[in-house]
Formats: sequence, structure tokens, C-alpha cells
Amino acid sequence: EPEVTQTPSHQVTQMGQEVILRCVPISNHLYFYWYRQILGQKVEFLVSFYNNEISEKSEIFDDQFSVERPDGSNFTLKIRSTKLEDSAMYFCASRSGGPTDTQYFGPGTRLTVL
Amino acid sequence: AQKVTQAQTEISVVEKEDVTLDCVYETRDTTYYLFWYKQPPSGELVFLIRRNSFDEQNEISGRYSWNFQKSTSSFNFTITASQVVDSAVYFCALSSGSSNTGKLIFGQGTTLQVKP
Repeated sequence: EPEVTQTPSHQVTQMGQEVILRCVPISNHLYFYWYRQILGQKVEFLVSFYNNEISEKSEIFDDQFSVERPDGSNFTLKIRSTKLEDSAMYFCASRSGGPTDTQYFGPGTRLTVL
Repeated sequence: AQKVTQAQTEISVVEKEDVTLDCVYETRDTTYYLFWYKQPPSGELVFLIRRNSFDEQNEISGRYSWNFQKSTSSFNFTITASQVVDSAVYFCALSSGSSNTGKLIFGQGTTLQVKP
């Protein structure tokens, strides 16, 4: 069964460093998402991406964040200068198309900023 | 504004008990979609069910059942004869029909502990 994959599973970085989180969505999906879950809290929407551009972003998704689909398979989230409060689990999700389709989530990348 | 409320922060039951997880949502849209996801201790988010606002039929899948009531803006989830493997955090989520992006708005989650 097709699934969303994410790498790495755990990333440890120093404050101020740049990190890139990688995702491979399900191959025939058209809509891509990043969500964040701070430890013990709810899952929060960061950004949605469709047709090679951002379709919606939340207040959390400030200038420090960017997304890219560099080729036909990868979908990346970059944090330019990490802060302590960026420590969280980051989930990538994808769906095939149309509002009735379900979002399927990857296993997540746990980002720890020291 | 759209909002999902899961008032139960933690629930603890003994194996084989039935348990209901509550979800109340707020939206001004007439078309919307409701979801339940399970987050086991391993951390991934596992899709359980999707329901659209025009379909109020209750659904049963094995030991799981869902009760959607538009009149009370609730989409509750019942596990019958709970098992230890059901221990997880359960999230209810809402997606607006008027949003082309399909972003999900999650509730705070309910931690279910099933004791043997």
C-alpha cells in the first residue's frame, strides 16, 4: 500500500542552524501539507502546497520557513534559522485531489533544537 | 472561525470496557468534513474515518463506531470491548468545504489508556 515517507526520523540541531526536512508524498497525490506537533499538544497546520505553489499558510509559517518541491517526488520544509521553540514533531501529509479526499500522514520527523 | 473541541483530556478504562470519545466542532460552512486519527505511542498519525456534512449515517467498523449529529455539532467515537492495543491519543479533525486547500483543524486530542 502506498505511503508517505519522511526523512530523517529524528534531527538534532543547534539553535540558529538551517534544517531541511524531507518528505516523499504518495505518488499520484496533488496536494501536500506540513503540520507541526509540539510535544504533548495538538497537531497544527503549517502550510499547504498545490500546483507548485503555496495555497495556504498559517501564522506559524513565517519568513523562517519555506517549502519546495524540487523534483517530481520530494517535498521539503526548510527552517532557515532554528529556534528552541521550533522543537516539535513535523508531519508531512498528502492527498490525491478534491476536498473529499483523505490526507495521509507520514511517520513524522522529530526536530530537537538545542 | 472553525474549531474542534475534545473536552476529555485523558480517559482510562479496563480492557473489554466500552469507551466513547467526544468531539464537538464549530464551523459556519454548510459543507465540511470530519475525521478521526489515531496516534499510537510510536507517534504516527493513522487515519480512521472521514465523514462529510451531508452524510449523517452512523458508521460501524468492527469494534469502532461513529455517531455524527449535526444538531449538536458532534462527531463521537466509540470503541466497543476495548483492548490494550487501543491505547493511543485520538484526534478529531475538521476540514472546511469552502477551503480549496483542505487543511485540517485538529482538536487537542484525547489520550486513551486501556489497562489489562
